[in-house]
Amino acid sequence: ETGVTQTPRHLVMGMTNKKSLKCEQHLGHNAMYWYKQSAKKPLELMFVYSLEERVENNSVPSRFSPECPNSSHLFLHLHTLQPEDSALYLCASSRKSPNRVPRNEQFFGPGTRLTVL
Amino acid sequence: GQNIDQPTEMTATEGAIVQINCTYQTSGFNGLFWYQQHAGEAPTFLSYNVLDGLEEKGRFSSFLSRSKGYSYLLLKELQMKDSASYLCAVRPHGNYGGATNKLIFGTGTLLAVQP
Repeated sequence: ETGVTQTPRHLVMGMTNKKSLKCEQHLGHNAMYWYKQSAKKPLELMFVYSLEERVENNSVPSRFSPECPNSSHLFLHLHTLQPEDSALYLCASSRKSPNRVPRNEQFFGPGTRLTVL
Repeated sequence: GQNIDQPTEMTATEGAIVQINCTYQTSGFNGLFWYQQHAGEAPTFLSYNVLDGLEEKGRFSSFLSRSKGYSYLLLKELQMKDSASYLCAVRPHGNYGGATNKLIFGTGTLLAVQP
């Protein structure tokens, strides 16, 4: 049990659908992350939220829209996706900064396996 | 640019020792992490190095040379359950407000342990 949960675990959607991915962390962290994991590619950081404020957006297409209503919850809203967006979407959390806790590893959820038809 | 290199796949025998290498070129350095990821599961933290040298934790050890931009993960007494992908990640210096917790990942090394 990592303390980070994601729902749904699997999602199949058409290109015209709108869906949302949900992430919840129970670790008392104040930074949350969305990653995309495609086969044979590095984990790609999509968004970073720190203290509920988006602090990084790595040139992600606007068809992905994140939302962080509080420090425990993170959403990724999806609309008009493309087949190349099919991937494993991972959520992670950590403390905001490693300054006080040098190791400060990120804790990952199990991911949502997304298939876009 | 930022780049993390590690082998794509490795095969080893149960009971043996395997070393997974990782080289990196990043804009700064504030720690290197190894994660283990079984198929269909979350990556889980294995080890952290920020100073040169070897960190040992049970059957797993991780080594870092900052001057060479190089790390390795050493797995001893391999077990079948060690079959997984091993991800190397570097935390570079942040771009805002001091150190951040952003990580740059390699593609992962898929390790297959055979009987």
